[in-house]
Amino acid sequence: DTAVSQTPKYLVTQMGNDKSIKCEQNLGHDTMYWYKQDSKKFLKIMFSYNNKELIINETVPNRFSPKSPDKAHLNLHINSLELGDSAVYFCASSQDGTISGYTFGSGTRLTVV
Amino acid sequence: EDQVTQSPEALRLQEGESSSLNCSYTVSGLRGLFWYRQDPGKGPEFLFTLYSAGEEKEKERLKATLTKKESFLHITAPKPEDSATYLCAVHESGGGADGLTFGKGTHLIIQP
Repeated sequence: DTAVSQTPKYLVTQMGNDKSIKCEQNLGHDTMYWYKQDSKKFLKIMFSYNNKELIINETVPNRFSPKSPDKAHLNLHINSLELGDSAVYFCASSQDGTISGYTFGSGTRLTVV
Repeated sequence: EDQVTQSPEALRLQEGESSSLNCSYTVSGLRGLFWYRQDPGKGPEFLFTLYSAGEEKEKERLKATLTKKESFLHITAPKPEDSATYLCAVHESGGGADGLTFGKGTHLIIQP
């Protein structure tokens, strides 16, 4: 039973389109995150969401917006996609990250053409 | 300036050849230092959390240690299945987006 699941696993789309990536966790964790892993494999945090509080990394363009319909879901919406948005996006969750670590999904590879 | 620096970037070992991976960090208030393993096409898999200098944790052939400036991941008598990218990350007090800051990883290859 997958703890953090993302869909789709692969997403190919054209520049200018709007797309969404879904994330669900069944661990009962309070906090969910989105990370971006670029072509150099460098993982960088984009957002964290806890109990309706959203914290945004200042480097993330406002074309990216997370939406949480409930505690178990944090979806990522991206508007007006650009070539530079191509990357692998990981969803993660934690209950108390400093104790038990963060659980990551298997990633969504986004390719913008 | 990178807050988390891992070295080497890549390491190739023979099966059974022990070695260490390094992670140095410059954050001011460390809440925790994490080690993850990432296999190709998969998300990072949690290995260890270390909280204070002098702390050590072990799991099978892996042992993680922490000082005030760096952490080491020691791998003893590795096997080919230990091949992966090992990521170090820190959770900083007051850190942006309340998440982890990752290093760029060490790509470890264990040859049979």
